[in-house]
Amino acid sequence: SQQGEEDPQALSIQEGENATMNCSYKTSINNLQWYRQNSGRGLVHLILIRSNEREKHSGRLRVTLDTSKKSSSLLITASRAADTASYFCATAVYSGNTPLVFGKGTRLSVIA
Amino acid sequence: EAQVTQNPRYLITVTGKKLTVTCSQNMNHEYMSWYRQDPGLGLRQIYYSMNVEVTDKGDVPEGYKVSRKEKRNFPLILESPSPNQTSLYFCASSLYSQGVRAEAFFGQGTRLTVV
Repeated sequence: SQQGEEDPQALSIQEGENATMNCSYKTSINNLQWYRQNSGRGLVHLILIRSNEREKHSGRLRVTLDTSKKSSSLLITASRAADTASYFCATAVYSGNTPLVFGKGTRLSVIA
Repeated sequence: EAQVTQNPRYLITVTGKKLTVTCSQNMNHEYMSWYRQDPGLGLRQIYYSMNVEVTDKGDVPEGYKVSRKEKRNFPLILESPSPNQTSLYFCASSLYSQGVRAEAFFGQGTRLTVV
């Protein structure tokens, strides 16, 4: 039951550039979350944006949410080599038993 | 420190030999779940639990069992492992309030190889 789909699948940029990743989903949500995964490690929560919010910031991260288009974007500004990782969006819907559903991720490579 | 602990981190086993992967969280979270991650398929949920003695199937439950006898522990059991269960497994926990999932905390993963 794939809900979120990230785009692009892979992204390669130079250190210092901004990286933008997009996520589209299919059904109404309560919140959308972004996670980061370093190779083979556990996912780490980055930011949560609720359905009644349009934009949220955390350090160099900026997340937007457009519920009319069922899409979200994650912007990482002034990227660093240490930002190299996979980034996943996950959606939480209102229905009680529905799990947090993850997309397949965007693989970001930041070249020093 | 708030954490989800999985053991073992790496496991190589033979087909048919029962195994258990343990998962424990120290945050008093109601909701716990197991995922498997395979190349090109992303994260797929195996089982989840909304509280003690309450478990339910996720997207790919075949070949797996779970139990939730205590709030902090949520072991994953493979009664008769097969090579198609070779994967990277993650346990996660989160608060569950008013029917909504909060942020999830993940364990470090268990890389399982079934030969």
